[in-house]
Amino acid sequence: EIVLTQSPATLSLSPGERATLSCRASQSVSSYLAWYQQKPGQAPRLLIYDASNRATGIPARFSGSGSGTDFTLTISSLQPEDFAVYFCQQSYSTPPTFGQGTKVEIK
Amino acid sequence: QITLKESGPTLVKPTQTLTLTCTFSGFSLSTRGVGVGWVRQPPGKALEWLALIYWDDDKRYSPSLKNRLTITKDTSKNQVVLTMTNMDPVDTATYYCVHRKTSLTFDYWGQGTLVAVSS
Repeated sequence: EIVLTQSPATLSLSPGERATLSCRASQSVSSYLAWYQQKPGQAPRLLIYDASNRATGIPARFSGSGSGTDFTLTISSLQPEDFAVYFCQQSYSTPPTFGQGTKVEIK
Repeated sequence: QITLKESGPTLVKPTQTLTLTCTFSGFSLSTRGVGVGWVRQPPGKALEWLALIYWDDDKRYSPSLKNRLTITKDTSKNQVVLTMTNMDPVDTATYYCVHRKTSLTFDYWGQGTLVAVSS
């Protein structure tokens, strides 16, 4: 199965700052990479699919890029509601696998 | 509007079989391309995909859990059922029902149900 490694584990930033989250796959997943946001006590929410497509209702400050094995989620200007855990997930092959998550916390 | 909701026991004993039901609305599992699956998350840990069933009754399972899992659907009731045999404390997790968007991406999630495995 494909292993996804996210970095950093924790990102400490202030509101208004830019957040850059990384996800690396153990083998190529083409552009079949998704990003999810999860807040405490809530289910994950799909943000980005196929590496760079925003899901319905997702603000434009969220953007995804990359292909092959290296992917990035960028939050251009952190809003208070953006502090959460972010997971990447490959949808290239079965079983779909998730990264271990990056926590974006308030500095 | 698509919604999914999980139901089932909150506590099971080791070696018992877990049965979870996902009741959904806003789509039909008889429509071509539709899939419903399950993902779990142990407390404080990452997400793990378990199983997926498609509109045509094709089924996919996590290779590491395949021998313990069964996924079925009842299109008339808008339900998907997951059974997991031989439960162990390490199976303690929140279990989510998910709607497949494209390929293996999940765009709608249920609220999740926490299942504890303990004697």
